Amino acid sequence: DVKVTQSSRYLVKRTGEKVFLECVQDMDHENMFWYRQDPGLGLRLIYFSYDVKMKEKGDIPEGYSVSREKKERFSLILESASTNQTSMYLCASTLIGQGYRFFGPGTRLTVL
Amino acid sequence: EDQVTQSPEALRLQEGESSSLNCSYTVSGLRGLFWYRQDPGKGPEFLFTLYSAGEEKEKERLKATLTKKESFLHITAPKPEDSATYLCAVLYNFNKFYFGSGTKLNVKP
Repeated sequence: DVKVTQSSRYLVKRTGEKVFLECVQDMDHENMFWYRQDPGLGLRLIYFSYDVKMKEKGDIPEGYSVSREKKERFSLILESASTNQTSMYLCASTLIGQGYRFFGPGTRLTVL
Repeated sequence: EDQVTQSPEALRLQEGESSSLNCSYTVSGLRGLFWYRQDPGKGPEFLFTLYSAGEEKEKERLKATLTKKESFLHITAPKPEDSATYLCAVLYNFNKFYFGSGTKLNVKP
């Protein structure tokens, strides 16, 4: 059974903290994505990666960075968390040319 | 401007009351249209892919159709467990992927 897992379901952090969100997929997918989902705004792409050590900015990359050291793992980093980064964060992966994304269960991040 | 619009935003049905959700798109070079189901607090779960106008896909009480301008997700005799948010997304212009904002479906017993 294909799987995308995320390190935490719920996370509470303080303003200014450095936050790491981890995502692992077991499907040998080349492409991996980080989205955030907010009421009324839908899913918005933060960053994506199409290969190890490769990354591309999505629609809203400001305040975030990513790391992909291994094919199966894609990390999202909030260098200095702010309250407007409180959101649901979703990781996804796909094979090149496949189109649809497989999503993880999400991490609900609250920044106080 | 490229857009994906879902309607209605919310839909309340009685159990057994069939209806349709709409996803209209104005993008060029459509390569695929995807439907997802999302339960509260969880990630989207893939349902269907449609590639060309006239194509239909079915799964249990759900049937997805595609025209050149829109897609419909028909729900036949829904049950309370069909309550969820349904998202559509389009893949276009080689690798652009865009989600609609979703339709929240509530099926009352």
